[in-house]
Amino acid sequence: GAVVSQHPSWVICKSGTSVKIECRSLDFQATTMFWYRQFPKQSLMLMATSNEGSKATYEQGVEKDKFLINHASLTLSTLTVTSAHPEDSSFYICSARQDVDWYEQYFGPGTRLTVT
Amino acid sequence: GQNIDQPTEMTATEGAIVQINCTYQTSGFNGLFWYQQHAGEAPTFLSYNVLDGLEEKGRFSSFLSRSKGYSYLLLKELQMKDSASYLCAVLDSNYQLIWGAGTKLIIKP
Repeated sequence: GAVVSQHPSWVICKSGTSVKIECRSLDFQATTMFWYRQFPKQSLMLMATSNEGSKATYEQGVEKDKFLINHASLTLSTLTVTSAHPEDSSFYICSARQDVDWYEQYFGPGTRLTVT
Repeated sequence: GQNIDQPTEMTATEGAIVQINCTYQTSGFNGLFWYQQHAGEAPTFLSYNVLDGLEEKGRFSSFLSRSKGYSYLLLKELQMKDSASYLCAVLDSNYQLIWGAGTKLIIKP
């Protein structure tokens, strides 16, 4: 149980284009979803936290107009990287929390984004 | 500020035991997680400690001392597949996970 999927697993796009990454909780309803990015040999950096039906809460330094997050349902959240640049190339990982009483986060497999 | 410290890298021998330490200073404490992350993959849950003491789960054990702001992950009977990064994360007073930079564990035959 508690499986989270991400799509695509990897994507290459040209500078200036937008890319959408989907995160789905497959066998549970996620009250909260999280988006992280991870650069090589570095730890996870939380970008934003989203609850279904409400606006995402972005961490300091993360541009909300560049990284659009939509949490339309209890099983789906999307991250859109708008006007991507090479410095946006990174490993993007989503995670989901199942309920308000247990704080374990279940991680998706990650999406490797390369902007050329 | 909030801070979590772990060694950057450790090396151990197959079949041996290794202890990965984690010290933390956070605004509040609601538990500490250990995750394993293989290169290019997402983290997977290993353990959660909220009370002081040792939690054993197969070859892996995790220890917590809240008064010392200290935890360790103990891996026994090391296997080559244990080569990975081990991430320590603390749930702070806002129930936000604060992540350490991770410890890369290299297992040698």
